[in-house]
Amino acid sequence: DTAVSQTPKYLVTQMGNDKSIKCEQNLGHDTMYWYKQDSKKFLKIMFSYNNKELIINETVPNRFSPKSPDKAHLNLHINSLELGDSAVYFCASSQDHLGQLGGYTFGSGTRLTVV
Amino acid sequence: GESVGLHLPTLSVQEGDNSIINCAYSNSASDYFIWYKQESGKGPQFIIDIRSNMDKRQGQRVTVLLNKTVKHLSLQIAATQPGDSAVYFCAETGGATNKLIFGTGTLLAVQP
Repeated sequence: DTAVSQTPKYLVTQMGNDKSIKCEQNLGHDTMYWYKQDSKKFLKIMFSYNNKELIINETVPNRFSPKSPDKAHLNLHINSLELGDSAVYFCASSQDHLGQLGGYTFGSGTRLTVV
Repeated sequence: GESVGLHLPTLSVQEGDNSIINCAYSNSASDYFIWYKQESGKGPQFIIDIRSNMDKRQGQRVTVLLNKTVKHLSLQIAATQPGDSAVYFCAETGGATNKLIFGTGTLLAVQP
């Protein structure tokens, strides 16, 4: 059983399109996150939800909108995709919102390529 | 950890040797630290953690050392194996922040 699963694994799309990435965790964790990893492997947090409530919203363009229908799911919708959005997006979850009970569990990533 | 230019710092070691990967963290208020391993095409995987009330913690073949005075964290891997080849990240959290901040990764390349 995959603990944190995200789909799709690869996404190639044209500039200006709207796309979504889905994430589900079966760990019973309260908090979920979206991270972006750039071409230099730098990992930066984008959003965090705790029990469906947004608790972290970094300086991210408002073309990015997270949605959490329940605490096991956190989806990421991106409008009007730009070339600079190309990256690997990771979903993660943690037992609590501080992440200090064993850190975060990450999904395997979604490689987004905007052409 | 600040980025060190355009290239990922790389540590190349011989199979069987011990590896030491270093990390300088940024927030003196951070009180919880984690090392992650990221293999190609996969997400970061938890290796070992340490709280600020400790200066050393050991796991299976891995040891994490914390020096709060100079805000330095290191990961020691004993008897490095080819399967240890990956990018390693330190991460910190605590203080006024409730998010995990990652440092610049280090690429560990194990030569057979």
